[in-house]
This record gives sequence, structure tokens and C-alpha cells, in this order.
Amino acid sequence: SYVLTQPPSVSVAPGQTARITCGGNNIGSKSVHWYQQKPGQAPVLVVYDDSDRPSGIPERFSGSNSGNTATLTISRVEAGDEADYYCQVWDSSSDHPRVFGTGTKVTVL
Amino acid sequence: QVQLVESGGGLVKPGGSLRLSCAASGFTFSDYYMSWIRQAPGKGLEWVSYISSSGSTIYYADSVKGRFTISRDNAKNSLYLQMNSLRAEDTAVYYCARDVSSSWFCDYWGQGTLVTVSS
Repeated sequence: SYVLTQPPSVSVAPGQTARITCGGNNIGSKSVHWYQQKPGQAPVLVVYDDSDRPSGIPERFSGSNSGNTATLTISRVEAGDEADYYCQVWDSSSDHPRVFGTGTKVTVL
Repeated sequence: QVQLVESGGGLVKPGGSLRLSCAASGFTFSDYYMSWIRQAPGKGLEWVSYISSSGSTIYYADSVKGRFTISRDNAKNSLYLQMNSLRAEDTAVYYCARDVSSSWFCDYWGQGTLVTVSS
């Protein structure tokens, strides 16, 4: 089955830029979606289709996808951005098409 | 506004059964695929099952195939997950989520319901 690999943790100072990667074989050919999950809360969609944002999500959240790596970028990081972030794709060639990444804990220093 | 409210979680012994429900409101339930996704304590997200808008297409993760059954009642705006032969490794928060089938992501999630399998 398709595997998505994320770094376990990313640390960033307030006001700086956080980049969270999601690695997968030829992931650039798939649509990548990103979720934010704060402690004790349900996940929230922050980016879909590689780079689109749902209504209500700040422009500070952006996404890109090419080759074997997709990236979620959080600009001008705020304390409230501290959370776990998961990437997700749909692998149409798999018997188990919905795949989540391993998750990245973003810590705001 | 879209709301998804899960219920039915609790403590159950290994080998036991539990039925989760998800009450949907704020959108035309019968137009959407729906999913169950779980998260074991301290772990990542694991997709469990999804069902098409009409209920005619269903998929399960290998880890639950043959033990869990997803269903829906569009007249009641409700999604269900019947869980049988429960194991300790099924202990998790179970979320129901609305699917966007054009690109296969979940745009709204419920708050989750905790299932604990323990003797």
C-alpha cells in the first residue's frame, strides 16, 4: 500500500516560517490534503487539492506538491498554530485508497 | 452550519460489540459519501471505512474487514458503525467525517467518540 512519510516534529519561532514535508512515491501526481489537529480536538482541514484553502483558513497556510514531496508551509507562525499536522492522499491504485501521513508535531518556541 | 455528532462509544470487553452513530445536520446528507476514521491514544489517524451517498459502495481497512459494518440511513441523516469481535487494538477515538468525493478528502469532522476495549 501507499506510504506517506512526515518528519515527527518541526520547531519554529513565532513569526518565522514552518515547512512540513510529506514524502511519497510520485506524490506529485496525486492531490494532497492537509489537516491540523490540536490536542483534544478533531482534525480540521487546512489545505486541499495541494494548495487550496477552505474558507476561514488564514492565507498564512499554503501548500505545494511536486515530484516525491508535498509541503505545507505556515508563514508568520503564531502560538495558536502549535498542533499536529497530517497529510492525506487518495491512492486510486490501492485496495486501501485513503492514506494518511504519519503526522508532524509543530512546536512554536 | 455543518454538524456531525458521534455517539455510542464506551468501555467494552474484548470480543464484545458496540454500535456507533453519527447524526448529521446542516447539509443534504444523502448527497455525500461519509467516512469513519479512528485515532488510537497518542497515535496518528487511520481511515476505517467509507460509504457512498446511496450506500451501494463500501470500503473497509484490512484491520476491521469482516468485523465492522458501516451503514447509513439517509431518511434519518445518520451514519452508523457496527463493531463486532472487538480487540484491544480497536481502542481509539472514532470520528465520522464528511467526504468530498471529487478529490477524496474530509471537509468536516465530528468531535469523536472514545471506544475502549479492555477486560
